[in-house]
Amino acid sequence: KNQVEQSPQSLIILEGKNCTLQCNYTVSPFSNLRWYKQDTGRGPVSLTIMTFSENTKSNGRYTATLDADTKQSSLHITASQLSDSASYICVVGVLNSGGYQKVTFGTGTKLQVIP
Amino acid sequence: DAGVIQSPRHEVTEMGQEVTLRCKPISGHDYLFWYRQTMMRGLELLIYFNNNVPIDDSGMPEDRFSAKMPNASFSTLKIQPSEPRDSAVYFCASSSGAEGSDTQYFGPGTRLTVL
Repeated sequence: KNQVEQSPQSLIILEGKNCTLQCNYTVSPFSNLRWYKQDTGRGPVSLTIMTFSENTKSNGRYTATLDADTKQSSLHITASQLSDSASYICVVGVLNSGGYQKVTFGTGTKLQVIP
Repeated sequence: DAGVIQSPRHEVTEMGQEVTLRCKPISGHDYLFWYRQTMMRGLELLIYFNNNVPIDDSGMPEDRFSAKMPNASFSTLKIQPSEPRDSAVYFCASSSGAEGSDTQYFGPGTRLTVL
């Protein structure tokens, strides 16, 4: 069964500190992996998209890594800010037999950055 | 561009009533996605369209749910009859180009409460 597990479920860090969120998946055949940020009461916003051949991608203070061999991804947030408080969702895509994508969502990590 | 537009933003209805959610994708995007998000199940893909054609509706929970895309600038998700367990936030998203690597842009969501 295709699964995407995220850890930790929730995290509280001090403003200015770094943190790393984890995503492990059993999805196969792998197509791509996306990280989304979702502020409370709003729709998700894409942070990064990585395909099989990419092992790192940055978007400002956000850096995602991908190890397709171990089926693990991480999202590293550098010098956290209060505005980073949100849920972070890992989404893994597979290509089905028709050539179209199916996605499996992680349950998210809820990050709270405190002053 | 105004982004993905969804209406209504909030909907409260009684069990058994018909509910219609509306979405206007970003102009020029040829993929449109409908998602549902609940605390228990997280984010789930219900159905997606490519060039107004439904590609994968395997996420639609049951026959009470139906989605249409009569043209490139409008889609509806209908629930008839609605049930309390349908209460959730429903998101519409759109993207363009190669499905596996393009960013999906989410609308603000419709918060549905079925009493």
